[in-house]
Amino acid sequence: DQQVKQNSPSLSVQEGRISILNCDYTNSMFDYFLWYKKYPAEGPTFLISISSIKDKNEDGRFTVFLNKSAKHLSLHIVPSQPGDSAVYFCAASGGFNGGTSYGKLTFGQGTILTVHP
Amino acid sequence: DSGVTQTPKHLITATGQRVTLRCSPRSGDLSVYWYQQSLDQGLQFLIQYYNGEERAKGNILERFSAQQFPDLHSELNLSSLELGDSALYFCASSVGIGQGRETQYFGPGTRLLVL
Repeated sequence: DQQVKQNSPSLSVQEGRISILNCDYTNSMFDYFLWYKKYPAEGPTFLISISSIKDKNEDGRFTVFLNKSAKHLSLHIVPSQPGDSAVYFCAASGGFNGGTSYGKLTFGQGTILTVHP
Repeated sequence: DSGVTQTPKHLITATGQRVTLRCSPRSGDLSVYWYQQSLDQGLQFLIQYYNGEERAKGNILERFSAQQFPDLHSELNLSSLELGDSALYFCASSVGIGQGRETQYFGPGTRLLVL
């Protein structure tokens, strides 16, 4: 059962334009959402997060939007740069079940972003 | 650099063997998490330790075990290795127990190849 889904395996964007990466989740108990960027042969790098009490969080060129009713979040990158080319993972935590879940992150399958010069 | 270190970076071994992966968390972090990334499964949570104690278990096989030592570094032991265990193994750390809205910071990973 895939509780976090990134339905677009890849996205191609021109430098300077907006990149929009999408993520859907099914577990309504998730209360914290994160985006990670991953280059080949490296570990995931934390980008930005949002808690369920907010609907938007911004950090420089990166903005995450959360729509709880639709169980959907998105990452906007503006403007996109060639160095942003990487795999982007959406992750979620929460959904405690008697405290046994703790900080477990559930990841989506990732979206490969390519930004062309 | 996340501050999380993992050794070794690469490991090649044979089926039936046992290996140990090591992780040192960021300074001040008390929780260590282990994840497996295989080609067809994505990033899967294996196990979490907090201040030396096991706190949460995910899809971890019985052939795998982990521990966290008093200096907070952690080791993941994989035994009776099978071809399907070939994967990237990531360690992550966070400040607290993970019950709040905590960010996990990942190490560079250990690439395990079982031949």
